[in-house]
Amino acid sequence: KAGVTQTPRYLIKTRGQQVTLSCSPISGHRSVSWYQQTPGQGLQFLFEYFSETQRNKGNFPGRFSGRQFSNSRSEMNVSTLELGDSALYLCASSLRRGGGSSGANVLTFGAGSRLTVL
Amino acid sequence: EDQVTQSPEALRLQEGESSSLNCSYTVSGLRGLFWYRQDPGKGPEFLFTLYSAGEEKEKERLKATLTKKESFLHITAPKPEDSATYLCAVQAGPGGSYIPTFGRGTSLIVHP
Repeated sequence: KAGVTQTPRYLIKTRGQQVTLSCSPISGHRSVSWYQQTPGQGLQFLFEYFSETQRNKGNFPGRFSGRQFSNSRSEMNVSTLELGDSALYLCASSLRRGGGSSGANVLTFGAGSRLTVL
Repeated sequence: EDQVTQSPEALRLQEGESSSLNCSYTVSGLRGLFWYRQDPGKGPEFLFTLYSAGEEKEKERLKATLTKKESFLHITAPKPEDSATYLCAVQAGPGGSYIPTFGRGTSLIVHP
């Protein structure tokens, strides 16, 4: 079956611009999480969506936002880009039953979107 | 706050030279400890989930073990294709966050 698809794979922006990244989860997976990965900080959790609702949020400024559509596809947006936003942005989907927090949260990741801010 | 520390940060091995990667964790209860493998330019790929101390899981040359404070990923007779970054993550138990907390990973290079 198809994996998690992220677009675009690579993009270059300048400071002050905004960017929108897209993620299509595995069919049947209703939970979508976003992570930022940098060499210095590793994988940092941004937010998680389930059934079009944000269920969890990491410690990032309000410039980082996201949403989920009725077909479980998700987008994240970063406004007013800063140099420090350069990173690999990873989307992961999981089979979260009923929106509850029980069970192990095994994530299936996409290949990521590599953002460079100049 | 859940914390995960992986060591070493980087490891170079000769083909066939067995070794272990360490993942020390602090979590409020433990619902699951995960190991992922990440190749350059790709997202992490799931390897194992461990649930309780004493549990072990194997896959080809990899074996993961779990104690109450740490997990080890043992690599037996590694091959160059085992070169990757290995990530450890923990998920808290009831009342804790559903979101896994990741360590910074161990970068493994296996030389032929």
